Amino acid sequence: GAVVSQHPSRVICKSGTSVKIECRSLDFQATTMFWYRQFPKQSLMLMATSNEGSKATYEQGVEKDKFLINHASLTLSTLTVTSAHPEDSSFYICSPNNAKGAGEQFFGPGTRLTVL
Amino acid sequence: GEDVEQSLFLSVREGDSSVINCTYTDSSSTYLYWYKQEPGAGLQLLTYIFSNMDMKQDQRLTVLLNKKDKHLSLRIADTQTGDSAIYFCAERSDSGYSTLTFGKGTMLLVSP
Repeated sequence: GAVVSQHPSRVICKSGTSVKIECRSLDFQATTMFWYRQFPKQSLMLMATSNEGSKATYEQGVEKDKFLINHASLTLSTLTVTSAHPEDSSFYICSPNNAKGAGEQFFGPGTRLTVL
Repeated sequence: GEDVEQSLFLSVREGDSSVINCTYTDSSSTYLYWYKQEPGAGLQLLTYIFSNMDMKQDQRLTVLLNKKDKHLSLRIADTQTGDSAIYFCAERSDSGYSTLTFGKGTMLLVSP
């Protein structure tokens, strides 16, 4: 299957700081990137969808100015949590897509963000 | 909107078969998926099935799809303690451009 990496895997930061999460699709071109958030003991919630070279589309209730998404290349997308607060503590997971995988959909290993 | 429902918990003994059930509401679902998530890890794609199929088998895993009843199941044969995890059912309603809709996950606990 597709190889997807995320960096960092775990981050702890102080309230008010910004954190950047990188997602790389290592062996196929991700024309679309889905970013999810998962709170403890809950399912994945879609935050936004980005297409390479264009602005991301955010789900209702997700602040685009707080969660900045950049998808400048077909192998890299970044999610920046700006001015993080404790309620932003969560597990963030990316999922690249190029609609050529005959249905396969792979996910990154996730980034655990803890805001103190 | 689309909805995917799963039972929250299943407990089995090692060596038994496990069956995890899922129902969905979107009649236009094209692909249906099963993912495994271990503590602190991302989602591992176990298997997926195209909506025109009734069954798919891959080693210890068997997926059954009843499209009329919108019911999907995952059977794990000879369940091992390493199979203990949360299993997510998900559906996609187009040819591959849209996101997946997930169920809340079923926690499978395998006891020795």
